Amino acid sequence: QSALTQPASVSGSPGQSITISCTGTSSDVGGYNFVSWYQQHPGKAPKLMIYDVTKRPSGVSIRFSGSKSGSTASLTISGLQAEDEAAYYCNSYTSSITWVFGGGTKLTVL
Amino acid sequence: EVQLVESGGGLVQPGRSLRLSCAASGFTLDDYAMHWVRQAPGKGLEWVSGISFNSESIHYADSVKGRFTISRDNAKNSLYLQIHSLRTEDTAVYYCARGPYDVLIGGAFVVWGLGTMVTVSS
Repeated sequence: QSALTQPASVSGSPGQSITISCTGTSSDVGGYNFVSWYQQHPGKAPKLMIYDVTKRPSGVSIRFSGSKSGSTASLTISGLQAEDEAAYYCNSYTSSITWVFGGGTKLTVL
Repeated sequence: EVQLVESGGGLVQPGRSLRLSCAASGFTLDDYAMHWVRQAPGKGLEWVSGISFNSESIHYADSVKGRFTISRDNAKNSLYLQIHSLRTEDTAVYYCARGPYDVLIGGAFVVWGLGTMVTVSS
């Protein structure tokens, strides 16, 4: 159950777009459309932002979108806002009937 | 309002046991699979365990297998995590989370509690 691979940090200016990658294997990201993304502000519980690779829960801004190609999933945030500054984690269901997270990416809005 | 509230955390000596609880409200617990996720101080999220709506399917992360036991009491709208032989590396905030389906297949963690802190130290 190796963690999915995410960049440790990304940054962008307000109004710009950024993309966070999440790389796994054919046993997790590449094998299922059960990739999800979570936003976590310091001291707070995680919040679901994207599920089933591309779907947005009710109430999540349309500025957040997800995609997948092979064993790499991506989260794109367009029109960056100061409130988007947080840690972001990807997650995937696996062939072992377990779930695995990425190491997390710290987004800094410059 | 859909809500999950964890309890049972605290300061515990290595080798002791602890039972965490998660109280659900605003929805019918037995309609959903449930999970525990933990986060060590300053570290990332780690999925710990999941249980189907009827407790017939239970799975654990390799890192906790054999020491952690997940269970649920749907009549009491509660989820539990029994932790045995606590280690310093078990120090973390433990979150309970609700899945989108009743079965333990796929899906995301839709609803999260605020977490309960477990500190393992002598």
